[in-house]
Amino acid sequence: GAGVSQSPSNKVTEKGKDVELRCDPISGHTALYWYRQSLGQGLEFLIYFQGNSAPDKSGLPSDRFSAERTGGSVSTLTIQRTQQEDSAVYLCASSLERARGRVAGDNEQFFGPGTRLTVL
Amino acid sequence: AQSVTQLGSHVSVSEGALVLLRCNYSSSVPPYLFWYVQYPNQGLQLLLKYTSAATLVKGINGFEAEFKKSETSFHLTKPSAHMSDAAEYFCAVTHRNRDDKIIFGKGTRLHILP
Repeated sequence: GAGVSQSPSNKVTEKGKDVELRCDPISGHTALYWYRQSLGQGLEFLIYFQGNSAPDKSGLPSDRFSAERTGGSVSTLTIQRTQQEDSAVYLCASSLERARGRVAGDNEQFFGPGTRLTVL
Repeated sequence: AQSVTQLGSHVSVSEGALVLLRCNYSSSVPPYLFWYVQYPNQGLQLLLKYTSAATLVKGINGFEAEFKKSETSFHLTKPSAHMSDAAEYFCAVTHRNRDDKIIFGKGTRLHILP
């Protein structure tokens, strides 16, 4: 399909292990976002990429969290030494780059189905 | 700073009844406002968005929302609920003239009673 894809769909890991979550954005979308959705907490912004650079990392909850994007496409969110409080659904979204002359903010974000992470 | 408040984490309505999901925002500058829906085990899907054109915005599946600047509200409505509307709904706000980081509310889970 042509939508945003994420893998794995489910991940169960033991406390202290590292995990990698992958996001494949829609082809041609230069902006990519990671969010975390915890039960009862709504959606929490983690990090935003424009191309391969991340102008906004303000949402990363600790230095155990990192993300990279290569080739302006696939992104990987890595959580090191996972803790039980990291258990959540991690959502990725992508959008078109702001078109020249257009005002920012109105580009729709297309979301992937998420990766459900469970840390035992 | 921007923020979004959704009143009611759970709302139940009978099938065929009016759906009203409340959203109030805080923004120091003109906002863009969004409603997203998340069906079980799926990602978020855009229902509708306000981008400073008409204040009454029509979206998919019969939903609409009205931007009321005086009340800083962007409530979501649907005249007649359907069983398939059962989902979680998120209101969101972003800044018009900066980056596209969207601030989401905590969500409202809509239950449809037969």
